[in-house]
Amino acid sequence: DAKTTQPPSMDCAEGRAANLPCNHSTISGNEYVYWYRQIHSQGPQYIIHGLKNNETNEMASLIITEDRKSSTLILPHATLRDTAVYYCIVRVDTGTASKLTFGTGTRLQVTL
Amino acid sequence: GAVVSQHPSWVICKSGTSVKIECRSLDFQATTMFWYRQFPKQSLMLMATSNEGSKATYEQGVEKDKFLINHASLTLSTLTVTSAHPEDSSFYICSAPPGLAAKTYEQYFGPGTRLTVT
Repeated sequence: DAKTTQPPSMDCAEGRAANLPCNHSTISGNEYVYWYRQIHSQGPQYIIHGLKNNETNEMASLIITEDRKSSTLILPHATLRDTAVYYCIVRVDTGTASKLTFGTGTRLQVTL
Repeated sequence: GAVVSQHPSWVICKSGTSVKIECRSLDFQATTMFWYRQFPKQSLMLMATSNEGSKATYEQGVEKDKFLINHASLTLSTLTVTSAHPEDSSFYICSAPPGLAAKTYEQYFGPGTRLTVT
């Protein structure tokens, strides 16, 4: 699976959009981009995933560049409860029973 | 959404004893479950893949005789830390994919078990 690079930490004011970048320059054509987050002392939570088109769900939006070498997770209106470590993971989808390799992630701190 | 539970949520044990951690998929069947370990301020590290009805697959560097995994049913996997030592103190997390029938590629994670070995 391709490696990813994320900034170690970011701050965001409550109510503002949080834009979390991820570089995955060695991504291959059949690899998806996944985002998970982990709130302190809890298990990770799935957020969103995509292949090449931009995706949106009730939690976030995922913007993938045309060359697929980077992506941005957007939390449109961050709240204090969005404070967490966000992990960008790239992997091939051979089926659901494939392991996830976590990097160091970005620690997002949402402040008042 | 699908729910994965873990028991216990935290445990303290003495050095040299064994501890069993349970991971259950509550509303779906999981032929595969994954076990992760997370040390403070570090990322999750995959320890092993638990397969229902067959032997677990361990990641490089993980001692299979120390971390015993049993996946006896489609809803339960257990991780037993044998002869625990203080360096085994960590946050243990399991995950389970709901399967192709769910038409989703996400995985569901348990809430984690914090093990402290004294």
